[in-house]
Amino acid sequence: GAGVSQSPSNKVTEKGKDVELRCDPISGHTALYWYRQSLGQGLEFLIYFQGNSAPDKSGLPSDRFSAERTGGSVSTLTIQRTQQEDSAVYLCASSTSGTVAKNIQYFGAGTRLSVL
Amino acid sequence: AQKVTQAQTEISVVEKEDVTLDCVYETRDTTYYLFWYKQPPSGELVFLIRRNSFDEQNEISGRYSWNFQKSTSSFNFTITASQVVDSAVYFCALSSYGNNRLAFGKGNQVVVIP
Repeated sequence: GAGVSQSPSNKVTEKGKDVELRCDPISGHTALYWYRQSLGQGLEFLIYFQGNSAPDKSGLPSDRFSAERTGGSVSTLTIQRTQQEDSAVYLCASSTSGTVAKNIQYFGAGTRLSVL
Repeated sequence: AQKVTQAQTEISVVEKEDVTLDCVYETRDTTYYLFWYKQPPSGELVFLIRRNSFDEQNEISGRYSWNFQKSTSSFNFTITASQVVDSAVYFCALSSYGNNRLAFGKGNQVVVIP
């Protein structure tokens, strides 16, 4: 079956522009996660969605970052007024449930964002 | 707070040699889960193994083996008879019961030289 799909695979933008990154989780997975991978900070948790519950946004670095998940499936991560420090690989993962005892997070290949 | 430390940044080995990756973790939780992921050049994180905190049984899967020692808060990973296809970045990660996020180490870049 299909894995986690992310698009675009690469995105180059100018400082100050808004960007949208898309994640299509594995079919049937109710939990969805966003992480950011950068040279300086390594892999960092950003946000977590579980079913219809309110998302855990505690990892978002600033109010320029937001995410939504429509219909419990596809998710979009939006970065407004991009800055050069936002340059990173944004990884999405999904799992069958939100309980870590019962799930394994499966990752997509990521979106490489470059802010010029 | 949860913390995962992978001290070695890059490790180079000649093909067929064994390579061991060290992972030390910190957590105040009594129930937690440890993971290893592999990130090949394609970028996708590939799940390798998960262990829970109350199961210290070590495991071997093909050329991979894991050594979990609660007393030293370590969860080390060994690749036996390495192959060029093992070249990748390997991440150790930690998650606590009730906390869905993964806390990752900085990763080990493994380079297998033919």
